[in-house]
Amino acid sequence: AQSVTQLDSHVSVSEGTPVLLRCNYSSSYSPSLFWYVQHPNKGLQLLLKYTSAATLVKGINGFEAEFKKSETSFHLTKPSAHMSDAAEYFCVVSDRSQAGTALIFGKGTTLSVSS
Amino acid sequence: DTGVSQDPRHKITKRGQNVTFRCDPISEHNRLYWYRQTLGQGPEFLTYFQNEAQLEKSRLLSDRFSAERPKGSFSTLEIQRTEQGDSAMYLCASSFLVGSDREQFFGPGTRLTVL
Repeated sequence: AQSVTQLDSHVSVSEGTPVLLRCNYSSSYSPSLFWYVQHPNKGLQLLLKYTSAATLVKGINGFEAEFKKSETSFHLTKPSAHMSDAAEYFCVVSDRSQAGTALIFGKGTTLSVSS
Repeated sequence: DTGVSQDPRHKITKRGQNVTFRCDPISEHNRLYWYRQTLGQGPEFLTYFQNEAQLEKSRLLSDRFSAERPKGSFSTLEIQRTEQGDSAMYLCASSFLVGSDREQFFGPGTRLTVL
């Protein structure tokens, strides 16, 4: 069975400081991994995805994540937080060996950014 | 470019009533998914369609829930005899089944409140 664990339910940073949102995954197969962001009253938006190409994945708005198979981790980082980054972030896994299967979401990490 | 749309955006109903939600996917997408998101949790998979065929249902989808995608385009999700525990955000997503790309595009959701 596949699962994801987001290690922090809430992360608070100051504007201009680095962001680190941690995610560990469990998968019996080769996983596809994603980070989605959800702003209040808005739909889920894909930030970035890993599907077996480069292990360091760059996404939108300056975010990136590194796939580390040995650590079963896919942590999300950004060098410098902006106020607009405040939102809910979800780490997501799916089974790459089966086309088009359901996504398995973590419980989410709320990112707060203070000025 | 139109994304995934859902209607209504909000629905308030009394316990025991039936409700129906509609999802219009991105036009060329042949996969359509329904998820449910309760407060403070990540979305959980309910069911998905490939064209008009319903290929998988989660154990979360009790017999009070039914979903259809009659012509392989829009989909409806009906909940009969609603219960207070059905209060949640119902999310629809669509994807195009090509290669190993698993990105799903999400609609804004329908927020259901059962009184």
